[in-house]
Amino acid sequence: QKEVEQDPGPLSVPEGAIVSLNCTYSNSAFQYFMWYRQYSRKGPELLMYTYSSGNKEDGRFTAQVDKSSKYISLFIRDSQPSDSATYLCAMSPSGQKVTFGTGTKLQVIP
Amino acid sequence: EAGVAQSPRYKIIEKRQSVAFWCNPISGHATLYWYQQILGQGPKLLIQFQNNGVVDDSQLPKDRFSAERLKGVDSTLKIQPAKLEDSAVYLCASSRSNNEQFFGPGTRLTVL
Repeated sequence: QKEVEQDPGPLSVPEGAIVSLNCTYSNSAFQYFMWYRQYSRKGPELLMYTYSSGNKEDGRFTAQVDKSSKYISLFIRDSQPSDSATYLCAMSPSGQKVTFGTGTKLQVIP
Repeated sequence: EAGVAQSPRYKIIEKRQSVAFWCNPISGHATLYWYQQILGQGPKLLIQFQNNGVVDDSQLPKDRFSAERLKGVDSTLKIQPAKLEDSAVYLCASSRSNNEQFFGPGTRLTVL
């Protein structure tokens, strides 16, 4: 079993839809949870960073962490074609050694 | 502030050849990471430097991969000899603290 599981998609939604991206994990030591966005032929860029459980909101993006279920989510409201990218979840016990999911490819159709 | 710079952007070599990648982190970032991202997978950490010392190289295939960070700034990652399964994007990242990592554009390696 992989430490971090993420549905690779692809996920295709119409513009304006609410997008839900999810990851599950098995390592209970993970304390730091991140979401990265990666455009084609680019490096990942950090979208959201949370510590322990709870919700964090930044504009159209909301990250949720449920440590009891070992489950994290990223919600994108009012999705735009420019949101089309691969979304990687990432986790770490200490903030240093980060384990990435495989990424979910999202396409937002105008 | 300038981002993480990597070169070359693309490299095609034949198996058993050697190849080197270069990374220049963001100024002032003490921590530097090299990741391998195989198509359809997430990045996998190969090695982490803190200044010019190695913090973690547990997933670096040391029989063929080597990395150095002289003077605690630029870094090079070398593969010698390359295998077909080394075809991947090699990402360099840097961070000021243990938190946000800033990634470069990567070097896409194709081994024929």
